[in-house]
Parts: sequence; C-alpha cells; structure tokens
Amino acid sequence: EPEVTQTPSHQVTQMGQEVILRCVPISNHLYFYWYRQILGQKVEFLVSFYNNEISEKSEIFDDQFSVERPDGSNFTLKIRSTKLEDSAMYFCASSDSRKVHFGPGTRLLVL
Amino acid sequence: DQQVKQNSPSLSVQEGRISILNCDYTNSMFDYFLWYKKYPAEGPTFLISISSIKDKNEDGRFTVFLNKSAKHLSLHIVPSQPGDSAVYFCAATWRDDKIIFGKGTRLHILP
Repeated sequence: EPEVTQTPSHQVTQMGQEVILRCVPISNHLYFYWYRQILGQKVEFLVSFYNNEISEKSEIFDDQFSVERPDGSNFTLKIRSTKLEDSAMYFCASSDSRKVHFGPGTRLLVL
Repeated sequence: DQQVKQNSPSLSVQEGRISILNCDYTNSMFDYFLWYKKYPAEGPTFLISISSIKDKNEDGRFTVFLNKSAKHLSLHIVPSQPGDSAVYFCAATWRDDKIIFGKGTRLHILP
C-alpha cells in the first residue's frame, strides 16, 4: 500500500534557525496537511493545502510557518525562525477522500 | 475549545475482553468521524470511520458506534489483543480540509 514518507526522521536545531521538513504524499492524493504533536499533548492541525494553495490554517500557523509544493511530488513545511516551543513531532498527511493517511513524522527538537 | 473530547486518558483491559473507547464532540456540523491508532514514534494510522448518516460501522474486530443525539461515539475492540496496546485518537471532520483530533486514550491490553 502506498505510504506518506517524511524526511528527516529527526532534526535538532538551534533557536532562531530555519528548518525545512519534507514530505512525499501519496501520489494521486489531492489534499495535503501538516499536523504536529507536542510531547504528551494531542495531535494539532496546522495547515491544509489543496490545488497549490493553503485552504485552511490554524492559529498556530503564524508568519513563521510556510508550506510549499515545489515540484509536484514534495510538500514542505518551513519554520523560518524556530522557537523552543516548536519542539514537537510534525506529521505530514495526504488524502483523496475523507480518509487521511499520515506519514511517520519528523521529530523536531529546538535547543 | 475542545471540539472533540476523549475524557479517559488511559484504559486497561484484559486480553480477550472487550475494549470500549469513548469520544464526545461538540460541533454538530461534524459529518464524518474517524478513529486512528498510534504507536510511539510513528504517525497515526487510520483504523475505522463512520459517516453521520450511520449509527454503526464494523470492520473485523473493530466496531464504531455513533449516537448523534448525544454527540457521542465509541470504538469497540473485540476480542482485545496485545498488539492493540496503543494510543487511540478519535477525530472528526466536516469538510475535506481539516480533521480535528481528540487528546487520545492510551489503551493497555493486560496479559
């Protein structure tokens, strides 16, 4: 069965640095998402992307965050200037219907 | 504002018995509900879903019940197996661009 893949699996960065989290959604899917889970907390919606533009974003997704689909297969989440509170597992997901498939996540640690 | 609530952070069930995980929601616009299972360091994996026009959906050992008037759904696992030990997230959606998750219930299957 096709899977959503994410790279890197782990990322450690210094506060204030930029990070780019990469995702390859399932190839025929049209909807793409980023979610995050801070340790011990629930899975939180960040942003959804459809037809090459953001369709919805949460309050968490402020100006420090951006998403891009640079080449028709990759879907990236950029955090421009990381903060300590950005430390979390970041999950990419994609769907072609109501069933959303998640990637394995990228664990981001901001020091 | 918690639109999807899982009030039991954890649940322990004897192997072979029935596991019942509960979920309440507040937004009457939700029309599709999903259960995801999550192992540590992995992304959530889709388990089972139900449309708001149904009150029950069954898939093997997993059954989801929906009570729209009470805004309540439950996941039944029968019989419970050791591999079912995981965190279970209830989720709901009303459009194709966002899924709202509960905080999760950690299920322990006891030998």
